[in-house]
Amino acid sequence: GEQVEQRPPHLSVREGDSAVITCTYTDPNSYYFFWYKQEPGASLQLLMKVFSSTEINEGQGFTVLLNKKDKRLSLNLTAAHPGDSAAYFCADIASSSFSKLVFGQGTSLSVVP
Amino acid sequence: GGIITQTPKFLIGQEGQKLTLKCQQNFNHDTMYWYRQDSGKGLRLIYYSITENDLQKGDLSEGYDASREKKSSFSLTVTSAQKNEMAVFLCASSIQGANERLFFGHGTKLSVL
Repeated sequence: GEQVEQRPPHLSVREGDSAVITCTYTDPNSYYFFWYKQEPGASLQLLMKVFSSTEINEGQGFTVLLNKKDKRLSLNLTAAHPGDSAAYFCADIASSSFSKLVFGQGTSLSVVP
Repeated sequence: GGIITQTPKFLIGQEGQKLTLKCQQNFNHDTMYWYRQDSGKGLRLIYYSITENDLQKGDLSEGYDASREKKSSFSLTVTSAQKNEMAVFLCASSIQGANERLFFGHGTKLSVL
C-alpha cells in the first residue's frame, strides 16, 4: 500500500531562517495532498490542501511545492517565527482509497528566538 | 463552528483489560475516523465509518473494535490492552471522504500498566 516518508523527524531553526520539511510518497495515483499542523496541546489543524495539478501553492508565510515526477511534497516556511513551533504532518490520498489518508511520520519544528 | 470531543482525555488501564474510548462531533459530518498516533510513526488509521452503523477497517484494526451507533458518535474499544502500551488515539471527522478537510479532537492518551 501507499507509504509516505517524512523528513526530518526533528528540526530546529533560528527565528527568521527558513525551514523545509519534505515528504516522498510511493503511489503515482495520489491526487490530494495535505499538510496538518499540531501546536503543543492542541488538535491537528489543516494548514493546506493541495490538488495534484498544482505544483506551487502559496500560504501565509509558507509555500508548498509538489513535484509529481519525483513524488515529493515539501513545506517551506520562509522567515520562521516562534509561533511556527509545532509538529507538522504531511498526508496524501490515492484515487483507489477515497477515505484513507496516509500520513507521514511527522516533523517536530522548533523555532528559537 | 463545531467541535469534536473525546473522552476520556487520559486513560490508564491494566494488561488484558478491555478499554473504550468515545468521540462526539456536532459538525453533522458523515465520516468519522480513529487514528493512533505514536511518536516517530505519524498517524495510522484504525477504523473509519462513512455513515451511521457503517464500519471500515483501517491498516491497524487488529486488536480493536469500533461502533458507530449514531451519526454524531464513534467509539473505539481496545479489546485487550497490551502491557506498557502507550499511545495517543485521535478521533476525526469530515463532511464526506478524507479528500475533505479532517477536523480532529484533542486525543485520548492511553497508558497500560
